[in-house]
Amino acid sequence: DTGVSQNPRHKITKRGQNVTFRCDPISEHNRLYWYRQTLGQGPEFLTYFQNEAQLEKSRLLSDRFSAERPKGSFSTLEIQRTEQGDSAMYLCASSWGDIQYFGAGTRLSVL
Amino acid sequence: DQQVKQNSPSLSVQEGRISILNCDYTNSMFDYFLWYKKYPAEGPTFLISISSIKDKNEDGRFTVFLNKSAKHLSLHIVPSQPGDSAVYFCAASGDTGFQKLVFGTGTRLLVSP
Repeated sequence: DTGVSQNPRHKITKRGQNVTFRCDPISEHNRLYWYRQTLGQGPEFLTYFQNEAQLEKSRLLSDRFSAERPKGSFSTLEIQRTEQGDSAMYLCASSWGDIQYFGAGTRLSVL
Repeated sequence: DQQVKQNSPSLSVQEGRISILNCDYTNSMFDYFLWYKKYPAEGPTFLISISSIKDKNEDGRFTVFLNKSAKHLSLHIVPSQPGDSAVYFCAASGDTGFQKLVFGTGTRLLVSP
């Protein structure tokens, strides 16, 4: 069990560029979540997958954000036309039951 | 609308003493509560949880107490160790069907030798 893996760990991009993050959940976990954390705040829910189906999206997830989980395994989160306000830590978690296990996150800096 | 609140941004205790971290919530639909610990540059690590059908859950040095009538929970760490120094997040779930976690803003615990 290697835990939840997120890549890249850090991403620096210029405003207006597109970025994509990847999350590999713990194997056999059917649920996968994306959260965003900004300085001084707790993680905030973005979206949820059960297997390959995206079942819930937060209103925080604007049209510039899209997430996929093909084949119910790894997931990607893409942000198009990045803005400075997108700068944050993006966390992925997976679960089978009530407890969610988090990856180390991808820190995005938009210049 | 902050549904989960941790009103103490920081807490300092001496090694060997008890650390008490507090958390309040407003949504009566929450039925499962978790504490996570976070070190810098790492993701949150699950620590302990409690279901709303219980009022106490213990795991080694960590005990979580739940007072449903007051919508309050607390995490007790006894004895505190310097390695416990981290940011602690309280989280709640249950008002949706898929265990979306709602987090507090965290309490930074510093345990000094």
